[in-house]
Amino acid sequence: QQQVKQSPQSLIVQKGGISIINCAYENTAFDYFPWYQQFPGKGPALLIAIRPDVSEKKEGRFTISFNKSAKQFSLHIMDSQPGDSATYFCAGMNSGGSNYKLTFGKGTLLTVNP
Amino acid sequence: EAGVAQSPRYKIIEKRQSVAFWCNPISGHATLYWYQQILGQGPKLLIQFQNNGVVDDSQLPKDRFSAERLKGVDSTLKIQPAKLEDSAVYLCASSLHFGLAKNIQYFGAGTRLSVL
Repeated sequence: QQQVKQSPQSLIVQKGGISIINCAYENTAFDYFPWYQQFPGKGPALLIAIRPDVSEKKEGRFTISFNKSAKQFSLHIMDSQPGDSATYFCAGMNSGGSNYKLTFGKGTLLTVNP
Repeated sequence: EAGVAQSPRYKIIEKRQSVAFWCNPISGHATLYWYQQILGQGPKLLIQFQNNGVVDDSQLPKDRFSAERLKGVDSTLKIQPAKLEDSAVYLCASSLHFGLAKNIQYFGAGTRLSVL
């Protein structure tokens, strides 16, 4: 059972453009939604995270938008740069559970062309 | 601050052979995780330790996979015998605290396993 569905699988954006990656979750117990960034040959690194009591969180060029009723959230990368080229994973967590387990989406390969 | 260390970086074995991976978490991190990342998919949690106790191993194929964290610091993950479908990157992560507010997981670079 895939509890976090992520799209698109891959995305190509021109430098300076906006990159948008979408995720939908099934488990209504999830209450913490991080995004991870992974460069080739490296492990994932936390980029930004949101809790469902807010509809938007912004950190620099990165923004998470959250729609609790639709069980969807998205990552927006403004003014995309070639250095943003990486794989992005969304995830969900039930913080009320006993193990704080992250359930990841399948990832989106972002390519930003110069 | 040193990150999560993993070794080896790459491993190629024949099916039915055994293999072991090693992880040294960030100093002072009580929680340690092993993930399996198959090509084109997100990481899947295999096992989670809090100090040297297992918190969650519900997705660990226990007939062939085992893991230990004897002294509550470094950890080993073993596969015996390996199958073709075990080909993946095995990621280790650690976090300082168990509670959500401080539970940022820091990942190592992983071990890429190829089973032929």
